[in-house]
Amino acid sequence: AQRVTQPEKLLSVFKGAPVELKCNYSYSGSPELFWYVQYSRQRLQLLLRHISRESIKGFTADLNKGETSFHLKKPFAQEEDSAMYYCALLYNFNKFYFGSGTKLNVKP
Amino acid sequence: GAGVSQSPRYKVAKRGQDVALRCDPISGHVSLFWYQQALGQGPEFLTYFQNEAQLDKSGLPSDRFFAERPEGSVSTLKIQRTQQEDSAVYLCASSLVIVQGAYEQYFGPGTRLTVT
Repeated sequence: AQRVTQPEKLLSVFKGAPVELKCNYSYSGSPELFWYVQYSRQRLQLLLRHISRESIKGFTADLNKGETSFHLKKPFAQEEDSAMYYCALLYNFNKFYFGSGTKLNVKP
Repeated sequence: GAGVSQSPRYKVAKRGQDVALRCDPISGHVSLFWYQQALGQGPEFLTYFQNEAQLDKSGLPSDRFFAERPEGSVSTLKIQRTQQEDSAVYLCASSLVIVQGAYEQYFGPGTRLTVT
């Protein structure tokens, strides 16, 4: 069965410190993975997708099929990065499985 | 232009009452999704439309849940005989195309349903 696991509910770091938000998935096929972000009082929005190998707002994520992981990383956290982050797996072109989310708190 | 809109933003229903939640997707978006997000959880897929066709309703938790999109634009999620476990935020999202690797969903603000 398809599943996305985000083991950390809350991650607190200081401004300027590196950040890694963990995401593991279970899927027997070739996965399409995404990170979504929700800032305070805003709606859920796409941050990045693995297939485009892009870097958005300094965040990157590498798909590791051997470890079935898609961790989100940023070398130097900023206060404006504080938000809820959700990892998501696309199944069968139309069904998204979301993790339970990690709240990132960047302290000044 | 305007993004995805949902109404009402908040709904309080007494147990056993029927509710209808509305979603206005971005104009021209082919795909429309409904999700249920319980407190402290990520969104859970409910159903998916491509234009007016409901192609996947595997996530609807019971036959009390019904969704429609009769003209391929506005969609309504209806919950009959609401129960306390239906309390959640209901999210709608729309997407322009279904192309592998180019998938971007645009989410609405959600409707927070509280069943008392």
